[in-house]
Amino acid sequence: AQTVTQSQPEMSVQEAETVTLSCTYDTSESDYYLFWYKQPPSRQMILVIRQEAYKQQNATENRFSVNFQKAAKSFSLKISDSQLGDAAMYFCACLEYGNKLVFGAGTILRVKS
Amino acid sequence: EPEVTQTPSHQVTQMGQEVILRCVPISNHLYFYWYRQILGQKVEFLVSFYNNEISEKSEIFDDQFSVERPDGSNFTLKIRSTKLEDSAMYFCASSVGGRGGTQYFGPGTRLTVL
Repeated sequence: AQTVTQSQPEMSVQEAETVTLSCTYDTSESDYYLFWYKQPPSRQMILVIRQEAYKQQNATENRFSVNFQKAAKSFSLKISDSQLGDAAMYFCACLEYGNKLVFGAGTILRVKS
Repeated sequence: EPEVTQTPSHQVTQMGQEVILRCVPISNHLYFYWYRQILGQKVEFLVSFYNNEISEKSEIFDDQFSVERPDGSNFTLKIRSTKLEDSAMYFCASSVGGRGGTQYFGPGTRLTVL
């Protein structure tokens, strides 16, 4: 069965600093996709970044980048130059065979000014 | 930029009542989904829908639940007889493709069952 684990229930970062959120997953598939979604207090789910497992290059989107370690089944999210608007719950998710996204429990990110 | 929309934003209902949650997926998307998030818990998959039929459903999606695409734009989730434990945030999502397609989420409907 597919599982996604986020071991950090809560993280804090100073504004303008860098923070890394951890995620590990378990899948028997060789072809799968990984995502980070952001959920601000409004509770809307917003796509942050996507990574295809067959791509070795780590995905980046402006201040957001991932460290994808396929052998270790690790998919961490790095947020550079943190801003107050980055404060939210962050969910890691895995999509393998089929269309079902499996989510981790989430990490609350607090940004201090 | 196209968005998934959902109505209502908040629905309050009495236990045992039927509710219909509505979603308008992004117009060129072909795959539609419902997820739910009980307060303080993980987001859980309920069902996926393609070509006017369910393609996958979870164990949560029992006979009390049904989905429908009544016209070319709406996608609905019906709960026939609501229970207290159905109280949750319900998210609709859509994607262009199936296998590996990025799913874009709507803002959610908060369902409160009293």
